[in-house]
Amino acid sequence: EPEVTQTPSHQVTQMGQEVILRCVPISNHLYFYWYRQILGQKVEFLVSFYNNEISEKSEIFDDQFSVERPDGSNFTLKIRSTKLEDSAMYFCASNLSGGASRQETQYFGPGTRLLVL
Amino acid sequence: GDSVTQMEGPVTLSEEAFLTINCTYTATGYPSLFWYVQYPGEGLQLLLKATKADDKGSNKGFEATYRKETTSFHLEKGSVQVSDSAVYFCALSEYNQGGKLIFGQGTELSVKP
Repeated sequence: EPEVTQTPSHQVTQMGQEVILRCVPISNHLYFYWYRQILGQKVEFLVSFYNNEISEKSEIFDDQFSVERPDGSNFTLKIRSTKLEDSAMYFCASNLSGGASRQETQYFGPGTRLLVL
Repeated sequence: GDSVTQMEGPVTLSEEAFLTINCTYTATGYPSLFWYVQYPGEGLQLLLKATKADDKGSNKGFEATYRKETTSFHLEKGSVQVSDSAVYFCALSEYNQGGKLIFGQGTELSVKP
């Protein structure tokens, strides 16, 4: 079964450093998402991406965050200058039609655990 | 805006006990409803879904029925196993609104032998 993959699985960084989290969505999917889960809390939507541009972003997704699809397979989340409160699990997800079909499923990657020291 | 509320955890049950995890939602439109499961150290997996009122989603012995009149989507299982120990998330997605999922806070289930 096709799956969403994410690298790295764990990342430790110093406050103020830039990090790039990588995702390879399912190959025929068109809509891509990033979510964040701070330890012990709910999974929160960050951003959705379609046709090489952001289609929606949450209030969490401020100017320090950016997303990119640099080639035909990867989808990246960049945090420009990390803060302690960015420590979380980051999930990438993808689906085919972005909610235009009630039957479709959003598939999640295994996550990247980011720790900012 | 839309939101999902789940019962507080953790929930601790003995093996073969009956499980109910309550979930209610608030939505501006007519959403699809989901239960995702997160096993220890792993990512999110879709457990079941329902896309319209009175639909029942089911998988691996778990069931949930979309109740529009009570805006609820409670998860049930008749006989839990130790292997069901995980965190369960209820979520919704509005139709034709870009597909983003809105999650509840998660309910941790621990099943003891």
